[in-house]
Amino acid sequence: DAGVIQSPRHEVTEMGQEVTLRCKPISGHNSLFWYRQTMMRGLELLIYFNNNVPIDDSGMPEDRFSAKMPNASFSTLKIQPSEPRDSAVYFCASRRTQNTEAFFGQGTRLTVV
Amino acid sequence: KNEVEQSPQNLTAQEGEFITINCSYSVGISALHWLQQHPGGGIVSLFMLSSGKKKHGRLIATINIQEKHSSLHITASHPRDSAVYICAVQGEYGNKLVFGAGTILRVKS
Repeated sequence: DAGVIQSPRHEVTEMGQEVTLRCKPISGHNSLFWYRQTMMRGLELLIYFNNNVPIDDSGMPEDRFSAKMPNASFSTLKIQPSEPRDSAVYFCASRRTQNTEAFFGQGTRLTVV
Repeated sequence: KNEVEQSPQNLTAQEGEFITINCSYSVGISALHWLQQHPGGGIVSLFMLSSGKKKHGRLIATINIQEKHSSLHITASHPRDSAVYICAVQGEYGNKLVFGAGTILRVKS
């Protein structure tokens, strides 16, 4: 398996633009997580899905952030409109069950100027 | 107070030294994870444990549930072990991970 695949790896956008981050989890994994990593706050959970259903979105900063998982092999995290404080590395991770280890994608480094 | 505290924040060691990184947490957990993040940015899961001890190569992870404490040990450290090591706890219910701030390890040759 190729692991968790995220795209793009790097994204530079202007403030106010819409940004869409993409994630393909490992096949057979039932849980998918979106995390954000910054120097100030470290790794934080934004949202996670079980069997394509959002379970906990309490980490989503505000209404500008939205996430979808239309099927078991694809998820998106959208920021609209983007702001400079959204600059961070966004990681997607998947797990087979809650009793197994997590596998992380390589991350998307987002810069909003 | 953070739910997950790691120490030390920074650690510099000489090649070959035995290294210990500590993690303390304040909530009930179902499992604790140790993760490794290399300078390139990718995150790899090293261990997931809920009791006792696990060993993988030169890495050993232990957990004491009563004391709410875990340690990650690296024996015969090598410069390629240089990375950020992150402790994360999984709550008693659900899938959510709460992360420590990480320990930056540098092993000099």
